[in-house]
Amino acid sequence: QIVLSQSPAILSASPGEKVTMTCRASSSVSYMHWYQQKPGSSPKPWIYATSNLASGVPARFSGSGSGTSYSLTISRVEAEDAATYYCQQWSSNPPKFTFGSGTKLEIK
Amino acid sequence: QVQLKQSGPGLVQPSQSLSITCTVSGFSLTSYGVHWVRQSPGKGLEWLGVIWSGGSTDYNAAFISRLSISKDNSKSQVFFKMNSLQANDTAIYYCAREDGYGNGAMDYWGQGTSVTVSS
Repeated sequence: QIVLSQSPAILSASPGEKVTMTCRASSSVSYMHWYQQKPGSSPKPWIYATSNLASGVPARFSGSGSGTSYSLTISRVEAEDAATYYCQQWSSNPPKFTFGSGTKLEIK
Repeated sequence: QVQLKQSGPGLVQPSQSLSITCTVSGFSLTSYGVHWVRQSPGKGLEWLGVIWSGGSTDYNAAFISRLSISKDNSKSQVFFKMNSLQANDTAIYYCAREDGYGNGAMDYWGQGTSVTVSS
């Protein structure tokens, strides 16, 4: 069973800063998905299969990684980016979908 | 457009069962699977199970003994039932569509059903 560990748990940044959050898997995985969730709202797909931005996601976001280490980077943080970001992967045998514990991004 | 709308009770008595219906529009349940995910207060996301387009199901092993997911393709409805609820099952329950690319992503989510387990 793969465990996803996200760091940091809380990330505080000023507008215009570059930030990176990390998702580490306990075993190698083929790709990682990322979701954004704001308080009171359902999660939204944000990055598919490691590096593909979901529709409507600003180009300041990017995703990368391989094996056991994946990251989400925001080149210049904006106030609207304040949210919790979750990574997610799945294993097919047996089918199991796993989420990380989330990184809460706060804007100063 | 794709939508998933959930309906179900907000309050469940301890040891009782929870039933939630997810009514979808904008796509066919014969083409896409639907997942169920929950989020306990102040906590992260926990996958519960999925019903695939062909009707087969897979469950999180931690819930397999008390969880059932079924669907009615003609009514575009997916049915979630969890038995023997306890206080630690208090959470927001979501249905979410698989993205159809076979990579395990969930591309559209319901609005969530907030469930409190209390007498």
